[in-house]
Amino acid sequence: GAVVSQHPSRVICKSGTSVKIECRSLDFQATTMFWYRQFPKKSLMLMATSNEGSKATYEQGVEKDKFLINHASLTLSTLTVTSAHPEDSSFYICSAISDSKGSYNSPLHFGNGTRLTVT
Amino acid sequence: EDQVTQSPEALRLQEGESSSLNCSYTVSGLRGLFWYRQDPGKGPEFLFTLYSAGEEKEKERLKATLTKKESFLHITAPKPEDSATYLCAVQARWNYGGSQGNLIFGKGTKLSVKP
Repeated sequence: GAVVSQHPSRVICKSGTSVKIECRSLDFQATTMFWYRQFPKKSLMLMATSNEGSKATYEQGVEKDKFLINHASLTLSTLTVTSAHPEDSSFYICSAISDSKGSYNSPLHFGNGTRLTVT
Repeated sequence: EDQVTQSPEALRLQEGESSSLNCSYTVSGLRGLFWYRQDPGKGPEFLFTLYSAGEEKEKERLKATLTKKESFLHITAPKPEDSATYLCAVQARWNYGGSQGNLIFGKGTKLSVKP
């Protein structure tokens, strides 16, 4: 149980174009999903919290207009990297909480990540 | 400043050679400490949650322990399939009301187990 699917696993795009990454909870409803970014040999960093039916909450330093997040349903959240630049190249990972009661210490279940390369 | 430090950065073991990974944390009130396993090019896979000092949890060859300042992930008689990067993360009490996803992650320990 608690499977999170992320698509695509890899994407290469040209500078200036936009890329959409999907995150789905396959066997549970996720009212809240999270988006992270991971650089090589660096810690996972939370970018934003995505709540179904409402606007995402972005962490300090994350550009809202560049990283558009939509949580259209209880099983799907999308991250769109707009006008991508080479410095946006990174490993993007989503996660979701499966505890419907919203226990604060519920473990996060992660997707398999998306490797974005901007040329 | 809240932070998580994992050591060593990399650990090479022979199959069957038991060892421990360390996660030292500094946080103003701990709500929970999490261990994850991450394979190359994959997302983290949840292993354990520890809530209070003295707590221990086991899963197959892995055992996680927690003190007030650090956590250990003990690996007993490891096998090559245990090779992965192990991540430690903490959730701080100050974050109450903030995002549940705002864990403070360490940089991980890359474990290699040779047959």
